[in-house]
Amino acid sequence: IAGITQAPTSQILAAGRRMTLRCTQDMRHNAMYWYRQDLGLGLRLIHYSNTAGTTGKGEVPDGYSVSRANTDDFPLTLASAVPSQTSVYFCASSEASGSFGEQFFGPGTRLTVL
Amino acid sequence: GENVEQHPSTLSVQEGDSAVIKCTYSDSASNYFPWYKQELGKRPQLIIDIRSNVGEKKDQRIAVTLNKTAKHFSLHITETQPEDSAVYFCAAILSGGYNKLIFGAGTRLAVHP
Repeated sequence: IAGITQAPTSQILAAGRRMTLRCTQDMRHNAMYWYRQDLGLGLRLIHYSNTAGTTGKGEVPDGYSVSRANTDDFPLTLASAVPSQTSVYFCASSEASGSFGEQFFGPGTRLTVL
Repeated sequence: GENVEQHPSTLSVQEGDSAVIKCTYSDSASNYFPWYKQELGKRPQLIIDIRSNVGEKKDQRIAVTLNKTAKHFSLHITETQPEDSAVYFCAAILSGGYNKLIFGAGTRLAVHP
């Protein structure tokens, strides 16, 4: 693994189904983030984690949950998918040394909820 | 809530011309302003950032200016090239946000040969 990876690359999901998007980084970054990207709305923060064992809510957390059992992995779960969750999802990580620092993005997961 | 407004939403220039993208932010305590570039089908990547203790930063053909009093910052690309065509996002960090960024809606830049 080099950098930050996401799986799956794309997924079509029936409404009401449960889905987990996976994110793994090998940079030993403390902070990780989940964003959704919708046309005309930019990137909106769903949930974040400043360090393993802690998580927090972003701008649009409803309908999503996360966990951070270790430094490398930060899965995003949709408990019961709805069509409005159709989007491209990006995971990101940063060193989180203070308030500054580059966020490194994964390749994204394109999710379609029918 | 806190927000970042970005203009224009689309920008078309001729190769060699300059391009300017402007953003305003609402959180007066924001102190870090990165710019990300996203090529079609790719992930966003940081191209330049500025902290609140400076007014301007340059990196080759790219520059960012910051006016904290007016709460706005701008990206300037000079001598544009076709490979500059992409969507550009500005962002501002939330005060006390510990690297939590609020992104603008993006500007789609097209550079025509």
